[in-house]
Amino acid sequence: EAQVTQNPRYLITVTGKKLTVTCSQNMNHEYMSWYRQDPGLGLRQIYYSMNVEVTDKGDVPEGYKVSRKEKRNFPLILESPSPNQTSLYFCASSSSGAGELFFGEGSRLTVL
Amino acid sequence: KQEVTQIPAALSVPEGENLVLNCSFTDSAIYNLQWFRQDPGKGLTSLLLIQSSQREQTSGRLNASLDKSSGRSTLYIAASQPGDSATYLCAVRDDKIIFGKGTRLHILP
Repeated sequence: EAQVTQNPRYLITVTGKKLTVTCSQNMNHEYMSWYRQDPGLGLRQIYYSMNVEVTDKGDVPEGYKVSRKEKRNFPLILESPSPNQTSLYFCASSSSGAGELFFGEGSRLTVL
Repeated sequence: KQEVTQIPAALSVPEGENLVLNCSFTDSAIYNLQWFRQDPGKGLTSLLLIQSSQREQTSGRLNASLDKSSGRSTLYIAASQPGDSATYLCAVRDDKIIFGKGTRLHILP
């Protein structure tokens, strides 16, 4: 089954404790991206990757890092999480920069 | 900078009615526009993708149109059902992907 898989789905952590949210897709997609969704602000793009070893900033990249060492994986790294990074995070992928976008189920992160 | 607006923010209609959801964008230089559905606490499900060269796409009871020159897209839902209740989001794609804030749709049984 074609899917985008995120882990963990739920996480509660404390300020400053590094964490990684993994994202994996099994559709051989070139394009992958991360979003955060906040009430009243909607979905905002954090980072995106057009292909392996190619990443670019979205609209809200501050406080986040990403890497794209393999085509199928695109982890989101929070080096020193802060409470304002409490949010619902989504990973998505598509076959190209103009292809249909497929989303993971989301990861709800709480930073205390 | 691209901005995407969805009006209304919320909509309630009786079951069986046809309805139209609106999406407008400020920069017409887009690759495509995609409509999604999101149920509470869930991920986004793709409904329809319209490439910049297309005028409309249809899937079952759903029809999406795109008018790039005026910066507008509509999602038409025919014969609405209670199961259609959800938040509907549009997203435009140029070098980045910009989402509207969505229309929360409630179909009244």
